[in-house]
Amino acid sequence: GAVVSQHPSRVICKSGTSVKIECRSLDFQATTMFWYRQFPKQSLMLMATSNEGSKATYEQGVEKDKFLINHASLTLSTLTVTSAHPEDSSFYICSARWASGGRYNEQFFGPGTRLTVL
Amino acid sequence: SQQGEEDPQALSIQEGENATMNCSYKTSINNLQWYRQNSGRGLVHLILIRSNEREKHSGRLRVTLDTSKKSSSLLITASRAADTASYFCATADNQGGKLIFGQGTELSVKP
Repeated sequence: GAVVSQHPSRVICKSGTSVKIECRSLDFQATTMFWYRQFPKQSLMLMATSNEGSKATYEQGVEKDKFLINHASLTLSTLTVTSAHPEDSSFYICSARWASGGRYNEQFFGPGTRLTVL
Repeated sequence: SQQGEEDPQALSIQEGENATMNCSYKTSINNLQWYRQNSGRGLVHLILIRSNEREKHSGRLRVTLDTSKKSSSLLITASRAADTASYFCATADNQGGKLIFGQGTELSVKP
């Protein structure tokens, strides 16, 4: 149980295009999903917290108009990188937390999406 | 912002040896978690230790937490080549439970 999937696993796009990444909790409901970015040989940086049915909360320094997050259901959150540029190339990882229980439930991580912007 | 710092940044050991990684953090926490990440892959949750706990075991893993020093350690005993990965600590605050990750330790276990 507690499986989180991401799609696509890899994407290559041209500069200026937009890319959508999906994060799904496959066997549990997640009121909260988190989006992270990881550059090579570095740690995960939290980008935003996504709550089902409400606007995402972005971390300082993360442009909300560039990284659009939608959490339309208890099992799906999407991250859209708009007008992507080479500096947006990174590994994007989502995580999901169970809907039931307290705030501090374990987060389950997706396998990540490798974005390369040419 | 990142608040966790881990040391060492890289650790290379022989199979069968123990590996110890340390993590320090700056603010109050609800719990601290350790994750493993194989190269280019997602994270695997290893263990969670709450702020009122001092030590926790899971198989070959032993985690300690010292809230007075704001530090934690992860010990992997009898390491195996398959343990080769990056290990991250992450702290959850008392507000919304979001995780803040440390910089990670890259462990290499040579057969």
